[in-house]
Amino acid sequence: DSGVTQTPKHLITATGQRVTLRCSPRSGDLSVYWYQQSLDQGLQFLIQYYNGEERAKGNILERFSAQQFPDLHSELNLSSLELGDSALYFCASSVAGSGGTDTQYFGPGTRLTVL
Amino acid sequence: AQKITQTQPGMFVQEKEAVTLDCTYDTSDQSYGLFWYKQPSSGEMIFLIYQGSYDEQNATEGRYSLNFQKARKSANLVISASQLGDSAMYFCAMRDDDTGGFKTIFGAGTRLFVKA
Repeated sequence: DSGVTQTPKHLITATGQRVTLRCSPRSGDLSVYWYQQSLDQGLQFLIQYYNGEERAKGNILERFSAQQFPDLHSELNLSSLELGDSALYFCASSVAGSGGTDTQYFGPGTRLTVL
Repeated sequence: AQKITQTQPGMFVQEKEAVTLDCTYDTSDQSYGLFWYKQPSSGEMIFLIYQGSYDEQNATEGRYSLNFQKARKSANLVISASQLGDSAMYFCAMRDDDTGGFKTIFGAGTRLFVKA
């Protein structure tokens, strides 16, 4: 158990809908990262937050947004869902925002299925 | 541009033998970190080992060691005394700080099969 929690574990929804994925980082970690893992794209970095502020942005679609709250939990919002958004979404956390021997620890993931 | 290459889509190893999973990377930065993660069939991503670009010694964590050859830009994972539970997908990843944040990129992965 990495100490990172994600809810829900599974999510099934229809095209055009909007969903919210939730992540709680390990105790003491200030950074949260979101990743998408699909069969054709592999593991793709989406976005990073550090202590409530966006720190780095990857291949995140405009239909997707994220935020990190004062208690450091984070939410990833996916809207206007398409079939291709079906994937395993991981949250990871780390202590720092940059530098050092900072290791990301991953949550168990949320498997999103868009029908 | 940053790039991670894992050239072995699948590998077989006999139980109790050692296996090396290859990883090469490309970055123009001097400061970067290299990571290996294991993803079993259950889906979770498990951190295995870390190597910093300035670390002179190869990293080791139990049965895992990282063969870091900076000039060749390679960071191969060595698993000694393979166990059946080592059967999983293994990802090599790199993080650098050129943008001030942690953009981490992952390789395509190597699926390891441990035979009894």
